[in-house]
Amino acid sequence: NAGVTQTPKFQVLKTGQSMTLQCAQDMNHNSMYWYRQDPGMGLRLIYYSASEGTTDKGEVPNGYNVSRLNKREFSLRLESAAPSQTSVYFCASSGEREGLGETQYFGPGTRLLVL
Amino acid sequence: SQQGEEDPQALSIQEGENATMNCSYKTSINNLQWYRQNSGRGLVHLILIRSNEREKHSGRLRVTLDTSKKSSSLLITASRAADTASYFCATGGGSNYKLTFGKGTLLTVNP
Repeated sequence: NAGVTQTPKFQVLKTGQSMTLQCAQDMNHNSMYWYRQDPGMGLRLIYYSASEGTTDKGEVPNGYNVSRLNKREFSLRLESAAPSQTSVYFCASSGEREGLGETQYFGPGTRLLVL
Repeated sequence: SQQGEEDPQALSIQEGENATMNCSYKTSINNLQWYRQNSGRGLVHLILIRSNEREKHSGRLRVTLDTSKKSSSLLITASRAADTASYFCATGGGSNYKLTFGKGTLLTVNP
């Protein structure tokens, strides 16, 4: 039982390049989330998926797209990376009973540097 | 915008002492949670307290919630060097699926 996994762990991009951050969970959770964490800013929600087949914008969605590929996987895509997207990205999931803003389980994070 | 605000931003104590962190929030909530983040790692859930609860314990952790003051506190008793981490409060509410996190308190426990 790996919990929430994220790939890659670290990535360097040039401005304008695109990339997809992958996230998978093996806890059969309905809800999945993408956050970014910047120094002094705490965690800010980018997008979330309350259940398979649905996605919704969070607090800072501009410049990002998401895909809920199936119940296990939720990917985050940067179509044209900008230096302002340099951050640490965390994926999280929460379970059947816990879907309504309850306990979330986090992945280890992806550190992204955009030059 | 952040819902929860932790106080203090940073706290440094000696091993064996108690550490208290506070969280204030602005709107009504269903529950309030505390998470820990070790440097360079993801967040780990510590404890959840519901809006109809006033106090909850888990091991060396004690959480209180005062909905009239819209505030919560996390007490870590007999702290250890391994407790060194950032601690975040997060509020969950209503019919949405979102948690809103504060900016965190950085706790340093000196051996």
